Amino acid sequence: SQQGEEDPQALSIQEGENATMNCSYKTSINNLQWYRQNSGRGLVHLILIRSNEREKHSGRLRVTLDTSKKSSSLLITASRAADTASYFCATDREGSYIPTFGRGTSLIVHP
Amino acid sequence: GAVVSQHPSRVICKSGTSVKIECRSLDFQATTMFWYRQFPKQSLMLMATSNEGSKATYEQGVEKDKFLINHASLTLSTLTVTSAHPEDSSFYICSASVQGAPGANVLTFGAGSRLTVL
Repeated sequence: SQQGEEDPQALSIQEGENATMNCSYKTSINNLQWYRQNSGRGLVHLILIRSNEREKHSGRLRVTLDTSKKSSSLLITASRAADTASYFCATDREGSYIPTFGRGTSLIVHP
Repeated sequence: GAVVSQHPSRVICKSGTSVKIECRSLDFQATTMFWYRQFPKQSLMLMATSNEGSKATYEQGVEKDKFLINHASLTLSTLTVTSAHPEDSSFYICSASVQGAPGANVLTFGAGSRLTVL
């Protein structure tokens, strides 16, 4: 069953702007991951943040995790047209390590 | 990095026929693979967890006789949609858990298979 919910469902920005996507979940987790999906393709893993971590960086990506609010955010800085894709958060509940995905945020970056 | 190859990428079949989708880990051994189904603009729905050498674990509501999963080797898992009907039309994606992340399943995905049942 679905665990995470991304917000917003769709985001349209200009190249160079920052993009922020949020993910909320319902039960306690071990880990939270963010994935990217280009249209009609499989997903690509971006970053994993563990339940005892609060922030992680990878290149232009910054992920935060607030377990008290059961939420995470993905920030893409200085966005590029090539960042256009759908972004999904995936959580695994305590006691299970199987990632379950939200509905995703569709990001469009206009050149 | 870890690569998962999935084929066919697209398949069109007549109602009542069976379709097999293959998922291979190319440069690593995948003890566990996950099969997902995705509807347009929707989330990925986990169908089953495939473990090498044992029966797959199906999620609630997924018909095991309809969606046959075989994981006969450490590099190959197959999903067979039996007696396919138009409502089975969907995007099916396999993934394998990559080692190196203790206490987590970091997934490498295949490119997906678009099934259209006429």
